[in-house]
Amino acid sequence: DQQVKQNSPSLSVQEGRISILNCDYTNSMFDYFLWYKKYPAEGPTFLISISSIKDKNEDGRFTVFLNKSAKHLSLHIVPSQPGDSAVYFCAASLRGNMLTFGGGTRLMVKP
Amino acid sequence: GAGVSQSPSNKVTEKGKDVELRCDPISGHTALYWYRQSLGQGLEFLIYFQGNSAPDKSGLPSDRFSAERTGGSVSTLTIQRTQQEDSAVYLCASTYAPPGTVGGYTFGSGTRLTVV
Repeated sequence: DQQVKQNSPSLSVQEGRISILNCDYTNSMFDYFLWYKKYPAEGPTFLISISSIKDKNEDGRFTVFLNKSAKHLSLHIVPSQPGDSAVYFCAASLRGNMLTFGGGTRLMVKP
Repeated sequence: GAGVSQSPSNKVTEKGKDVELRCDPISGHTALYWYRQSLGQGLEFLIYFQGNSAPDKSGLPSDRFSAERTGGSVSTLTIQRTQQEDSAVYLCASTYAPPGTVGGYTFGSGTRLTVV
């Protein structure tokens, strides 16, 4: 029973365009959400997060949107760059306990 | 060291053998997590250590899996009588965040385990 789902295993985007990565969750008690980025042969690295009391958090080219009623969050990357090509994981936390991760989405940004 | 260190980076073992995977967390980080990523899958939680508290073992897939954290620092994940389905990348992460708060994890590069 996956509590956090990323339904798109892969996404291909042209350089300079917007990348939108989606994530759905089932547990309405989750109170904190994070996005991680993973390159091959490396561990995931933290990218951006959002508390459940907010609906948007922006950091440079990266913006995370949270829609609590739909139990949906998304990561927008604008403009996309070839170096953004990686696997992106969303994760959710319940009261600071261990993170529950989605299955990941492989983003490919074409030059 | 500056980051989370895992060893070995790669391990090939025969089915039925025992393996030990090591994790050196960032100094001062009180929480340590083990996850694994099977081929084409997401990150699966295995076990969580927080300070001197009893570990949360709820993610361990079977009693062949065990983990220790000595002196609140280094952790060892042991898999006994390995099976082919144990093949995965095993990732360790640590964080300074105290219980009840969320701090970004710092992950190691992982140990790629292949059971043949």
